[in-house]
Amino acid sequence: SQTIHQWPATLVQPVGSPLSLECTVEGTSNPNLYWYRQAAGRGLQLLFYSVGIGQISSEVPQNLSASRPQDRQFILSSKKLLLSDSGFYLCAWSRRGGRLDTQYFGPGTRLTVL
Amino acid sequence: SQQGEEDPQALSIQEGENATMNCSYKTSINNLQWYRQNSGRGLVHLILIRSNEREKHSGRLRVTLDTSKKSSSLLITASRAADTASYFCATDEDAYGGSQGNLIFGKGTKLSVKP
Repeated sequence: SQTIHQWPATLVQPVGSPLSLECTVEGTSNPNLYWYRQAAGRGLQLLFYSVGIGQISSEVPQNLSASRPQDRQFILSSKKLLLSDSGFYLCAWSRRGGRLDTQYFGPGTRLTVL
Repeated sequence: SQQGEEDPQALSIQEGENATMNCSYKTSINNLQWYRQNSGRGLVHLILIRSNEREKHSGRLRVTLDTSKKSSSLLITASRAADTASYFCATDEDAYGGSQGNLIFGKGTKLSVKP
């Protein structure tokens, strides 16, 4: 069976500090990978998605970046955090294919920037 | 861009009652999905309905899709306190017969089921 892991679960960082959130998927190959951000009481905002190693599409301009160094590893980074980067970050994967089906979400990382 | 819009934003009912949530979208779609999110947790996939389907059932869940009105509804029958969560619709936009490759989520309906 497939599983998706995210860490850390919670993170408190000062403004201007760097960020690295990691997501790994087990039990599947060549997944599509996604990073979402969810502000308090709001829906999901797609930040990045990847269809393969080194292939990253950015959905919104921001001071965040993403990388996919391995097939089942997706990393969200920032060189300098802003207060507005606070939120709940969710990683997800889906099977590759022409028709998009289910996305499977990780448990999320709660980031607070002070 | 935000495609799905759920209605109502919040819904409070008594245990045993039915809960109906609606979702409207703007473009042609390949499929529409409903997800559930418990507070502070990741999303869990509930049900998927394809653009050529009109109704689908899964346990106490019933989903309808009206592509002419670009809307969907999620019905939870005989609700339980454990159904308390936020519910999101998500659409896979149809891009020239294929897929955009990512889902577009709505802002969700917060359901509270009181015991």
